[in-house]
Parts: sequence; structure tokens; C-alpha cells
Amino acid sequence: AQSVTQPDIHITVSEGASLELRCNYSYGATPYLFWYVQSPGQGLQLLLKYFSGDTLVQGIKGFEAEFKRSQSSFNLRKPSVHWSDAAEYFCAVGARGRRALTFGSGTRLQVQP
Amino acid sequence: DSGVTQTPKHLITATGQRVTLRCSPRSGDLSVYWYQQSLDQGLQFLIQYYNGEERAKGNILERFSAQQFPDLHSELNLSSLELGDSALYFCASSVTSGAETQYFGPGTRLLVL
Repeated sequence: AQSVTQPDIHITVSEGASLELRCNYSYGATPYLFWYVQSPGQGLQLLLKYFSGDTLVQGIKGFEAEFKRSQSSFNLRKPSVHWSDAAEYFCAVGARGRRALTFGSGTRLQVQP
Repeated sequence: DSGVTQTPKHLITATGQRVTLRCSPRSGDLSVYWYQQSLDQGLQFLIQYYNGEERAKGNILERFSAQQFPDLHSELNLSSLELGDSALYFCASSVTSGAETQYFGPGTRLLVL
């Protein structure tokens, strides 16, 4: 069965600092990987996705993520965090032939001025 | 704005009642997925429809049912409601039936009193 682990429940960073949110997945085949962001009271917005090819993927709002098969990881990064990035971030895994996405428990990001 | 719409935004009801949540997918998308987000269970896949047919089932209770209509909008019916059904219910849509990118609506927040 697929599973996704986001080890950090809550992270606080200062505005302008760099950010890395961790995501580890468990799946036997090649996964499809996603990062979504949920602002308070809002739905889930897709930040970026990885299906195949270049393991470093660029997303919206200046985010990027790197797929590392050997570590079963898909960490999300941003070089300089803005106050508007405060939100909850979800990593999700899917796979060819499977309909549903499996989500991690989320990481809540707080940005200090 | 993902292009997925959900109504109503908020719903307050009593235990034992029945409610219907509505979702309209993005233009051109044939698949609709329903997810439940609760504090204790996180984001859980409930059910998927593709072009009017049920394609996958997740952790959906027997008291819950869904359908997709010829115009591709979908409804999630929740009956005999319990306090524990209080959650945020998301609809997502995608072009085909596989695990490619799913776009999420803003959600319906259900409160059962």
C-alpha cells in the first residue's frame, strides 16, 4: 500500500529565509508525486508535480522539489520565503493505474516577520 | 481558482439528517473525486466517478453515496449523519481516469451538531 510521511507537523521560518519541507513516500512502483498548498479556509492548490524525467521540478510561487528515488523522497524547497507562504503544505503520491491520491498529514508553515 | 466549484461552502445540520454536496468539475474534465479532510484522519479518498460511472472506492462509509450526472457534475450524499462526519469535503477533477493531476475545489465545510 502507498503511504506518505511528512515528518514535520509544524515549521517556523523567518521571512526571507530558505525553506525545505520533507516528504517521504512508500510505493513499490514509480510514483507520481505532488505538492499541494492549503491556505486557511481555502481549497488545495497544486504547487508542482513529478511524473517522470528531470528529477528537479519547478512549480508556481517560486517553489521547486527534487525527486530522489534512492531516498524515496520528494522534498519541497523555496530559496526565500514570503509572509504569504504561510499555509499548510501537503505531499501526495499517485501511480499509473491508481485513481486516488494518498496524502501526507501535512506540514503547517508559519512565517515570522 | 482551479475551475472546480463546490456548493454549498458551509453546511450546518443535526445528527441523523441527510445532506447533499454538489461539485462541478473543470470544463473538459471527465473524472470527479471526493475526499474528506478531518483533524483525526487527514485527507482521505472517498470515491471516484469517470464519465458517469463509478471507478474507484476508498474509505467511504455505507451511509455515504455519490453519483455523477450526464452533465458531469457530481453529488455526494451523506445520510444518518453523526458528529464524526463533521469535516471538510473536497471535490477534485481530472481529465481522464488515471492518476494524473487532480484539481481541487474550495471544499464544503460540514458541521454536524
